Amino acid sequence: AQSVSQHNHHVILSEAASLELGCNYSYGGTVNLFWYVQYPGQHLQLLLKYFSGDPLVKGIKGFEAEFIKSKFSFNLRKPSVQWSDTAEYFCAVNAGRDDKIIFGKGTRLHILP
Amino acid sequence: KAGVTQTPRYLIKTRGQQVTLSCSPISGHRSVSWYQQTPGQGLQFLFEYFSETQRNKGNFPGRFSGRQFSNSRSEMNVSTLELGDSALYLCASSPDPAKNIQYFGAGTRLSVL
Repeated sequence: AQSVSQHNHHVILSEAASLELGCNYSYGGTVNLFWYVQYPGQHLQLLLKYFSGDPLVKGIKGFEAEFIKSKFSFNLRKPSVQWSDTAEYFCAVNAGRDDKIIFGKGTRLHILP
Repeated sequence: KAGVTQTPRYLIKTRGQQVTLSCSPISGHRSVSWYQQTPGQGLQFLFEYFSETQRNKGNFPGRFSGRQFSNSRSEMNVSTLELGDSALYLCASSPDPAKNIQYFGAGTRLSVL
């Protein structure tokens, strides 16, 4: 069965620190990959997506993610975080013939001012 | 353009009762997906509807059912409620299920007593 693993459940960083959130998936075929973000009190919203082409994907608010097919990974990065990046981040994969989207369990990111 | 609208926002039920949740997608979107979000399990896919047909279904018991109307509005029904059904139920709409860029509603928080 397809699955998505987010290894970091809770991350605490200081402002200006660099961020990398891990995401690994289990599926051997073609995948579409997403990162969603949920700011406190707000809806889930799309941060960035990968369908095909350049494996380094730029998203909103300075985020980027790199698809490494050989590692089944799609890690989220940001060179310098801000207090406003405090949120929960979800990795998601859309794979297989049935097109279901599978979400990871999320990573809570807390940025210290 | 109005976003995804879910009603009601909050609901309290007792064990054994049944509940119906409603989702109005963004105008023009024909794909609607439902998710259950709990602290322990994260976001779990329930089902997806497109043009009044169920395209995909997650691993939930038959007590969970849904439907989509000709105007793309969708309802989700849970019968014989159990305490473990307490969760935030999220609806997401998408213009094109092949791309699967999803726009989420605020959710309906269901508490089962």
